[in-house]
Amino acid sequence: AQSVTQPDIHITVSEGASLELRCNYSYGATPYLFWYVQSPGQGLQLLLKYFSGDTLVQGIKGFEAEFKRSQSSFNLRKPSVHWSDAAEYFCAVAIHGSSNTGKLIFGQGTTLQVKP
Amino acid sequence: DAGVIQSPRHEVTEMGQEVTLRCKPISGHDYLFWYRQTMMRGLELLIYFNNNVPIDDSGMPEDRFSAKMPNASFSTLKIQPSEPRDSAVYFCASSLGTGGTNEKLFFGSGTQLSVL
Repeated sequence: AQSVTQPDIHITVSEGASLELRCNYSYGATPYLFWYVQSPGQGLQLLLKYFSGDTLVQGIKGFEAEFKRSQSSFNLRKPSVHWSDAAEYFCAVAIHGSSNTGKLIFGQGTTLQVKP
Repeated sequence: DAGVIQSPRHEVTEMGQEVTLRCKPISGHDYLFWYRQTMMRGLELLIYFNNNVPIDDSGMPEDRFSAKMPNASFSTLKIQPSEPRDSAVYFCASSLGTGGTNEKLFFGSGTQLSVL
């Protein structure tokens, strides 16, 4: 069965430091992968997605993620974190056979705290 | 566009009472999704609709839960009778559902449900 694992429940980084959030997936074929961000009291917002092609994808707010098939990973990165990036981040994979990429399996989420 | 609109933002009720959550998707979106978010289970897909028709309700936890979409601009998720373990944040999301790589989910701000 498809699954998504985010090994880090909580991460704290200093403002201006680089960031990497880990995501591993379990899936039998080439997955559709996503990163969403959730600010407190808000719904989720799509940061970026990978369907095919270039394995390094750029997203909004300066985020990028790299698909590594050999490692079954889709880690999210940002070179310099801003205080406004403090939020919860979710990695997700589209369920196989779904005709619409909205049928997603989400990881448990990683809470990012940014120190001034 | 106002985005996906959910109401109420917060709902507090007593065990055994009926609860109705409401959602207005983004105009023109063909797909509507109901998700539930809890600390223990993360984000779970409950049900989704395509052109007002329920496509997959395999995530609905039990018969106490029901969802309807009487028209393209309105959906409800009903819990009857409610139980304390139903306490969670319930998200509605919509998407265009074109089948292409431009799809993404647009989430509402959620309904925080507390069943006492």
